[in-house]
Amino acid sequence: KQEVTQIPAALSVPEGENLVLNCSFTDSAIYNLQWFRQDPGKGLTSLLLIQSSQREQTSGRLNASLDKSSGRSTLYIAASQPGDSATYLCAVRPDNDMRFGAGTRLTVKP
Amino acid sequence: EPEVTQTPSHQVTQMGQEVILRCVPISNHLYFYWYRQILGQKVEFLVSFYNNEISEKSEIFDDQFSVERPDGSNFTLKIRSTKLEDSAMYFCASRGTGVGTQYFGPGTRLLVL
Repeated sequence: KQEVTQIPAALSVPEGENLVLNCSFTDSAIYNLQWFRQDPGKGLTSLLLIQSSQREQTSGRLNASLDKSSGRSTLYIAASQPGDSATYLCAVRPDNDMRFGAGTRLTVKP
Repeated sequence: EPEVTQTPSHQVTQMGQEVILRCVPISNHLYFYWYRQILGQKVEFLVSFYNNEISEKSEIFDDQFSVERPDGSNFTLKIRSTKLEDSAMYFCASRGTGVGTQYFGPGTRLLVL
């Protein structure tokens, strides 16, 4: 059964810092991996989707990498801003569903 | 930009009552999903729906749950007899192609008293 783990559970950084969020999954047989942002009490906003054949995707200050063989992904956020404060979720698609990690709660202090 | 919509945004119900959560997926999408997130816990997959039938369901999706696409636009989740533990945020999602992104709706927060 596919398990997704995210480390750290919470992270607090000063504004302007570059940071890395980690995601690991137990079964490398996935179609893709997706990073989401969730604001408190809100829905899920898709940030980046990496297909299983890809190594990384970039969008603005965000860069996500995927190492399928080792079951790892990282989300790199450059020059963090207070508006980046949210919970970041990693999810993998092993079949026709998605399995989510518990998320990393990020706080960026002004 | 097209988006998935869900109604209602909040629903409060009494234990044992039936609830129907509604979703309007993105119009040209073919795959539809329901997920739930109990407060403070992970987002959990409930069910996927394609070609007018359930394609996959989790162990959470028992006989109390059903899904339907009653017309060309709506996708509904019915809980026949709600329990306290059904209190959660329920997310609908849709996807266009086999390798595409799942787009999530804003969720319906269900509270069972």
